Amino acid sequence: NAGVTQTPKFRILKIGQSMTLQCTQDMNHNYMYWYRQDPGMGLKLIYYSVGAGITDKGEVPNGYNVSRSTTEDFPLRLELAAPSQTSVYFCASSYLRDSYNEQFFGPGTRLTVL
Amino acid sequence: AQSVAQPEDQVNVAEGNPLTVKCTYSVSGNPYLFWYVQYPNRGLQFLLKYITGDNLVKGSYGFEAEFNKSQTSFHLKKPSALVSDSALYFCAVRDSKAAGNKLTFGGGTRVLVKP
Repeated sequence: NAGVTQTPKFRILKIGQSMTLQCTQDMNHNYMYWYRQDPGMGLKLIYYSVGAGITDKGEVPNGYNVSRSTTEDFPLRLELAAPSQTSVYFCASSYLRDSYNEQFFGPGTRLTVL
Repeated sequence: AQSVAQPEDQVNVAEGNPLTVKCTYSVSGNPYLFWYVQYPNRGLQFLLKYITGDNLVKGSYGFEAEFNKSQTSFHLKKPSALVSDSALYFCAVRDSKAAGNKLTFGGGTRVLVKP
């Protein structure tokens, strides 16, 4: 199993540009999450999904959009990039057979908005 | 609401000495508690979790954590630290009453193990 994969690893955007961060998992997990990690800070939840076709906002959803058309994929869309969105983005997944299953994380995408 | 605090930004320890990373939490229901480790330029890796049962939980790489309900703490420990344990450690909590399996993470504690 590859686990959780994310592309790209790095990206530099200009203010106002848009991009999609890709996330794929091959563990047949029903839950998927997007987090951002700012320097010296913990992780903040952006959006999450409990299954294909179902998404919900997390703690910091403004400026982002998500979709979940398949169990495997959970892309994160940035519209009109702003410097405040400079961060490292992590995708994660978990299997909700039980409510306390741990989350598995991808390697991250480092995004800089200039 | 659920919250978690890691009071130390950094912990320095000599190789071979015991390592402790502190974590306290706040929930309205029962806590599900997790520790993750992040090595440079990598994603988070799961170390261990407390759900119920024994207060001492054993996890990966020789780490263990002690759940203390009265002190609302879940400190991570390792009896003998290695240089390779140098990394960023995150505590996370989920309230049993919260929907969506959403975790709240602490700010992280950087561990530096010196030879």
